[in-house]
Amino acid sequence: DAGVTQSPTHLIKTRGQQVTLRCSPKSGHDTVSWYQQALGQGPQFIFQYYEEEERQRGNFPDRFSGHQFPNYSSELNVNALLLGDSALYLCASSFGLAGDYEQFFGPGTRLTVL
Amino acid sequence: GQQVMQIPQYQHVQEGEDFTTYCNSSTTLSNIQWYKQRPGGHPVFLIQLVKSGEVKKQKRLTFQFGEAKKNSSLHITATQTTDVGTYFCAGNFGNEKLTFGTGTRLTIIP
Repeated sequence: DAGVTQSPTHLIKTRGQQVTLRCSPKSGHDTVSWYQQALGQGPQFIFQYYEEEERQRGNFPDRFSGHQFPNYSSELNVNALLLGDSALYLCASSFGLAGDYEQFFGPGTRLTVL
Repeated sequence: GQQVMQIPQYQHVQEGEDFTTYCNSSTTLSNIQWYKQRPGGHPVFLIQLVKSGEVKKQKRLTFQFGEAKKNSSLHITATQTTDVGTYFCAGNFGNEKLTFGTGTRLTIIP
């Protein structure tokens, strides 16, 4: 049984570019949450998808958008990249909404913006 | 905004010593979760506490949730080198997202 998978593992972009990160949840999970983790910091909640809709959103600008597909996989899109977007992007899945259930994290995508 | 503070930021202990990290919120929490992140790894769920005053144990780890549901602690007895990592609490304020604390980075001196 595969856990949460994310792709790519590493990515280097330049300022102003756009990026798409992908996540496949753990088998049986229907909820995907995305987090941004800067070096030495705790994960910061970006948004959560359940039933293909964005259910909750953290304090991130509209440059951050996402999508959930019928198979529960999800994408995170970031437009007009800034240097400050450099971070580890974590996807977490759960069965049910994130606040009440254990979340399983993927290995993350390390994004570097030059 | 709703924040979860965690102290200390760093803790260095001799192997075999005990370790404690504390998590505090100014607002009542619905529940709190604890995660461990090894260096270079991703957060791994340890436990969830829901009830006021709840205490749960996992081998050498003891987790507590305060009576007012505004604070929590994680205590490790007789640390081992496998305990190295950053420990995060993550609070739920009654909505559908988790707010992670700043983490406590534990290093073990052999």
